Order: sequence, then C-alpha cells, then structure tokens
Amino acid sequence: DTAVSQTPKYLVTQMGNDKSIKCEQNLGHDTMYWYKQDSKKFLKIMFSYNNKELIINETVPNRFSPKSPDKAHLNLHINSLELGDSAVYFCASSQGGREKLFFGSGTQLSVL
Amino acid sequence: DAKTTQPPSMDCAEGRAANLPCNHSTISGNEYVYWYRQIHSQGPQYIIHGLKNNETNEMASLIITEDRKSSTLILPHATLRDTAVYYCIVRPRYNTGKLIFGQGTTLQVKP
Repeated sequence: DTAVSQTPKYLVTQMGNDKSIKCEQNLGHDTMYWYKQDSKKFLKIMFSYNNKELIINETVPNRFSPKSPDKAHLNLHINSLELGDSAVYFCASSQGGREKLFFGSGTQLSVL
Repeated sequence: DAKTTQPPSMDCAEGRAANLPCNHSTISGNEYVYWYRQIHSQGPQYIIHGLKNNETNEMASLIITEDRKSSTLILPHATLRDTAVYYCIVRPRYNTGKLIFGQGTTLQVKP
C-alpha cells in the first residue's frame, strides 16, 4: 500500500479553470503538507495542517485553498488557474512537525 | 533561503562509496542536519538526520564535523538506483515540518 497517495498524477487544464488535487495518507500521521516544485526544481512549502488545523500558510495566493476533512486527507483546491501555477505539487505527512516527512509521488499540473 | 551549500553535481562509479558534502556554517545549536533525496519523477525521500554525532542507518552514514559547520553523506556502495538529487537541510529541533530545500547535489552513478 502506498503510504502517501495523490490523485491525479497528471493534470492538464486551461487557464481560468478550477481544479483539485487529492491527498491521502495511511500512516496514521497527524500532520500533512503541500509542497510546490517549480520549473527550476525548487521545492517550497505551501501549507501544513496539524489535526485538521492550518499551521503554515506560506504567502500563497488565496486562489489556493487547502481542505482537510480529516487527519488522513489534505486536498488542494485551486481557483482561476494561471500559467504560473504550472508545477509539480507534492503532498507529504509526518507525525508532528519534528519527525521525518513522507512525500507522495507528486501531481504534475500543466496550465495551458 | 536555504542555510546550506552543496556542489551542484557529482559523479560516482557503481559499487564505490559516494561522499556528498554539505556546508552549513551558520547552523545553530538546536538545528539538525537532514538529508533527503529525490529520484527522478518521484517525491523526496528521507535518508538520515543528525545533531552532532555521526549517524548510520540502512541507507547511509552521516558524518558531522566537530564544529558542526559541515557534514558528509556517505552512500557506502552506490548503485545505479542511487542516481538522484540529494538535499542537505538544516532544520530546527522544534519545527513545524517546514523544510527549506536548496538546489541540492545531482549525483550520477555510472556503471
């Protein structure tokens, strides 16, 4: 079983559309994250949730809205997609903020 | 900004040890050194971490200098599957899980 799974793996869409990426972890962790990897391969944190509570929100446009229905899920909804949103988005989880992170395999978003 | 400096790329022969250096001269006393790697088209994978003592696990060894200003990740017998980008990350002991990734070192293991 995959520990941190994301869907879809690839997402191609037009500018202005709204899309969601789903993430689920079966590790029993209480903290989940979204990271973004841009075209230059830099990885940056976007959000983190602990027990469904938002802990980190890193200067991300409010078109991005994370939602955590329970500890095992953290979804990312993006409104009014722009060309600059094209990137690979990684979900991750950990037990608390001090432990190692487990990453999903990523969702490659392409906005045309 | 990342608090670490790594060479952009390195080569290693298959079966030999790969030694990946990292400078973190501004590290403070409550900060750990973490190593992750990212194999092409996959998410980052945790390798090892340490505070001041050398550490070893099934994947690698971590050597931290006495002054803690630099460290070396050692893959004792590199295989082709170890070809990846390796990230050295300085992380506060009490941390919210925010990892600050730099550019990392691209390790190419050659047959």
